[in-house]
Amino acid sequence: AQSVTQLDSQVPVFEEAPVELRCNYSSSVSVYLFWYVQYPNQGLQLLLKYLSGSTLVESINGFEAEFNKSQTSFHLRKPSVHISDTAEYFCAVRGAQKLVFGQGTRLTINP
Amino acid sequence: NAGVTQTPKFQVLKTGQSMTLQCAQDMNHNSMYWYRQDPGMGLRLIYYSASEGTTDKGEVPNGYNVSRLNKREFSLRLESAAPSQTSVYFCASLRAGGTGELFFGEGSRLTVL
Repeated sequence: AQSVTQLDSQVPVFEEAPVELRCNYSSSVSVYLFWYVQYPNQGLQLLLKYLSGSTLVESINGFEAEFNKSQTSFHLRKPSVHISDTAEYFCAVRGAQKLVFGQGTRLTINP
Repeated sequence: NAGVTQTPKFQVLKTGQSMTLQCAQDMNHNSMYWYRQDPGMGLRLIYYSASEGTTDKGEVPNGYNVSRLNKREFSLRLESAAPSQTSVYFCASLRAGGTGELFFGEGSRLTVL
């Protein structure tokens, strides 16, 4: 069975500072990993995904995540955050016919 | 270009009342899902439908029923609402092709008094 653990429920950072949101997974099948973002009062939308190939994947708004098979991790990073990055971030792993989500990490950006 | 549409967006019920949350997608996706979101618990899968005519339980199905009316529509019914079902409910559909990208509706906020 698949499972996801997000190690931090809340992460406060200052604007323009770097950030890392941590995610560990467990999967007994081929690993497909995702980060979704939820802005206030909205549904979730895909931020980036790892299916195969390069272990470093990037989003269009400056986030990146690295698939580390030996550490079973898929941490999300951004070198310099903006106020607009304030949101809740969910890591997810693909199982058979469905996605399993972590508990979410609330990213708060302070000016 | 609607994507996934959920109705209603807000609903207040009394304990014991019933209601149905409606979901429709216009992307010709085969698989559809109902999740609930509660603080500190992430998204938990209630039911899903891998294809028209099939439904399966997720991790928290108790107190809910679903109907996959056709390929577009997947409804969630609460027969006798309880305060523990106060939550935000999300419908999603899965793009075919094995990538696993879910498309979500905007959510339905349900309060049970």
